[in-house]
Amino acid sequence: QVHLQESGPGLVKPSETLSLICTVSGGPISSYFWSWLRQPPGKGLEWLGHIYYTGTTTYNPSLKSRVTISLDTSKNQFSLKLSSVTAADTAVYYCARHNNGGTYPLGNWGQGTLVTVSS
Amino acid sequence: DIVMTQSPLSLPVTPGEPASISCRSSQSLLHSSGYHHLDWYLQRPGQSPQLLIYLASNRAAGVPDRFSGSGSGTDFTLKISRVEAEDVGIYYCMHALQDPRTFGGGTKVEIK
Repeated sequence: QVHLQESGPGLVKPSETLSLICTVSGGPISSYFWSWLRQPPGKGLEWLGHIYYTGTTTYNPSLKSRVTISLDTSKNQFSLKLSSVTAADTAVYYCARHNNGGTYPLGNWGQGTLVTVSS
Repeated sequence: DIVMTQSPLSLPVTPGEPASISCRSSQSLLHSSGYHHLDWYLQRPGQSPQLLIYLASNRAAGVPDRFSGSGSGTDFTLKISRVEAEDVGIYYCMHALQDPRTFGGGTKVEIK
């Protein structure tokens, strides 16, 4: 059974870059799409972007050019960088694996990690 | 972006009774494959979301058969035939027709 675990700083200062890593265990990174999502406290879910195991990325245009997702297949990890953060970026951040086929739904999720943007 | 709208916002339910959640999209979710690209997720209190339904009506592995999805075009429904206590949480629909994928605002199911 694949397991995903987010890690990274829980507090980031405004205007700085938020950096998170998702470590995948119990299965390979290859042959799947991998996503980052977030959920502000008490609010709904927002898809940030995904990366295919080949390195191809797609991002949510709402984040403009602030988001970068990358892959390290040697470590079975993928990462999220979100630049120029503000308080509006405070949220629980989730990493997730897409199932193959159909709608490529988000079949496996990490437990999430809360990132607070504050000085 | 495709806008997803769910109703109701809150749904008090009695155990053993049925429940129904509606999801509407701002454009048809019919893919060229002939399938509707709509997924349903449940986020139990304090937990990560989990996949319930994909392609509008296909139950994910391990999902009880009391959950069913239906709909076409822009209107979709998630039904629970007999609600159990473990079904409480927030239900989200999400379209998967194109990027960016977007979610409905969620429907909170709670026991009366």
